[in-house]
Amino acid sequence: SQQGEEDPQALSIQEGENATMNCSYKTSINNLQWYRQNSGRGLVHLILIRSNEREKHSGRLRVTLDTSKKSSSLLITASRAADTASYFCAAALDSGYSTLTFGKGTMLLVSP
Amino acid sequence: KAGVTQTPRYLIKTRGQQVTLSCSPISGHRSVSWYQQTPGQGLQFLFEYFSETQRNKGNFPGRFSGRQFSNSRSEMNVSTLELGDSALYLCASSPAGDTQYFGPGTRLTVL
Repeated sequence: SQQGEEDPQALSIQEGENATMNCSYKTSINNLQWYRQNSGRGLVHLILIRSNEREKHSGRLRVTLDTSKKSSSLLITASRAADTASYFCAAALDSGYSTLTFGKGTMLLVSP
Repeated sequence: KAGVTQTPRYLIKTRGQQVTLSCSPISGHRSVSWYQQTPGQGLQFLFEYFSETQRNKGNFPGRFSGRQFSNSRSEMNVSTLELGDSALYLCASSPAGDTQYFGPGTRLTVL
């Protein structure tokens, strides 16, 4: 079963705008990760936030985590056409293993 | 360091056949995980190997199996292929957990 559920399923914006994607999960987690996938290729790791962290930044990316609401958000600032991709959140359950449970993803389209 | 490599990149098989997919992790990574991605079910965890031992297994039938060799390279095998096995199979490696580094995937089409 899916652990993470992203919202929205699809998002279309103009270059320069910000894009926000949300993710909800069901059980307690060790950490939550965000990945990007271009056109059915392999996934690229973007950022990892641990359960004891509330916010994390990496370049134009900002991730927040609210464990009380079991939710996370990914903000991409000043979007570029090259950011067009599918974005997935993945929950690493509190099991100590490397297993990730993915949501179904948000398709982001950034138009020039 | 070279990234995760997967071979072959594309594969076409017919129902009832079996297939073996290969994954070479990043040098030094001891954990290898496999995922299946389909339009309907999304990304689903198949299994994880660490130091040649299966540490975790997803909810897939016994037709799906895997193994890891002493050099951390991994293979997964699917026997008696079904149409529904058509998918992108992704391999990921990790030094010990947490961040996963994914390969480009093997796209399997079952006719």
